[in-house]
Amino acid sequence: EPEVTQTPSHQVTQMGQEVILRCVPISNHLYFYWYRQILGQKVEFLVSFYNNEISEKSEIFDDQFSVERPDGSNFTLKIRSTKLEDSAMYFCASRHPRQGRQPQHFGDGTRLSIL
Amino acid sequence: GQQLNQSPQSMFIQEGEDVSMNCTSSSIFNTWLWYKQDPGEGPVLLIALYKAGELTSNGRLTAQFGITRKDSFLNISASIPSDVGIYFCAGSSWGATNKLIFGTGTLLAVQP
Repeated sequence: EPEVTQTPSHQVTQMGQEVILRCVPISNHLYFYWYRQILGQKVEFLVSFYNNEISEKSEIFDDQFSVERPDGSNFTLKIRSTKLEDSAMYFCASRHPRQGRQPQHFGDGTRLSIL
Repeated sequence: GQQLNQSPQSMFIQEGEDVSMNCTSSSIFNTWLWYKQDPGEGPVLLIALYKAGELTSNGRLTAQFGITRKDSFLNISASIPSDVGIYFCAGSSWGATNKLIFGTGTLLAVQP
């Protein structure tokens, strides 16, 4: 069964550094999402992306965050200047373009640790 | 913002027991989803519900979409050790993004 893949599985970065998290969504999916899960907490929506633009973002997704689909397969989340509170699991998800009855499928996540 | 309250927070049961957990919201959702998350992994979809009142099964799992569109429950029958994990409900409304709002999770521990 096709799946969403994310790299790296674990990223350790110094505070203030830039980090890029990568995702390869399921190939025929056109809606893409990033979610965040701080240790021990629930999964939180960050941003949705469709047709090469952001369709919605949460208040967490401030100017330090950006997303990009640089080619036909990758979907990236960039954090420009990381803060300690950015430490979390980051999940990418994708969904088939047919509206309504198509659930989101998640990758296994990238654990981001900010030192 | 929209919030989903999930209960119970945790359950410790014996293998073979049945389990029930639920999710309530102050907002209406068009879709309710139930995911399971194992340690270090992403949420895996268990059941998707799209119609108010809908009752759907997936093996030993059964979930229902509440008539008011503001709640859902998940039942697991005859639990086994591999059912251990965190179960999340998630709701979304049809629209441009279908973003998911997640519940707070139910930690399930099964004693062999």
